[in-house]
Amino acid sequence: AQRVTQPEKLLSVFKGAPVELKCNYSYSGSPELFWYVQYSRQRLQLLLRHISRESIKGFTADLNKGETSFHLKKPFAQEEDSAMYYCALSANAGKSTFGDGTTLTVKP
Amino acid sequence: EAEVAQSPRYKITEKSQAVAFWCDPISGHATLYWYRQILGQGPELLVQFQDESVVDDSQLPKDRFSAERLKGVDSTLKIQPAELGDSAMYLCASSLVATRSYNEQFFGPGTRLTVL
Repeated sequence: AQRVTQPEKLLSVFKGAPVELKCNYSYSGSPELFWYVQYSRQRLQLLLRHISRESIKGFTADLNKGETSFHLKKPFAQEEDSAMYYCALSANAGKSTFGDGTTLTVKP
Repeated sequence: EAEVAQSPRYKITEKSQAVAFWCDPISGHATLYWYRQILGQGPELLVQFQDESVVDDSQLPKDRFSAERLKGVDSTLKIQPAELGDSAMYLCASSLVATRSYNEQFFGPGTRLTVL
């Protein structure tokens, strides 16, 4: 069985502060991990995927297989980063499992 | 820019009634997903189609839910009869193809169902 855990329902930081959204997973194979974001009144959309090793909007995420984690990080948070963030795991044939999300609020 | 379309956006119904939701994926996307998202939780996959075939429906409550994608394009999700616990957001998503190397899903705006 595959599971994704996001331990923080709510996270609040000040503008310019570093931010880390935690994600832990359980899966017996080699997973693909993703972060999706939902801004206010917008659709859920892909932010980044571990296989691309890219930085999107200043966010990065490293897959740590030893700790089974895929934490999302940004060194300097901006107010426009305020949104709901979902970590997701994709197994063979594309079946995806989402975490319950973390609401990030960046205060001015 | 192409987007996933869903209708209706909102649906209020009474328990024991039948409801249906429609999804039109991005043109050319072979894979279509239906998710249910209960308030405060993440999306939960109900059914996944590859073209017109069901790939995964292990979490679909088959006694009351049904889904079809007859021509491998648009899809309908039906609930009959609706129960109070079915109140949720129903999301549709599509992707080019579900493979290990590429699985970006594009989501629709969702249908908010309220069962009274």
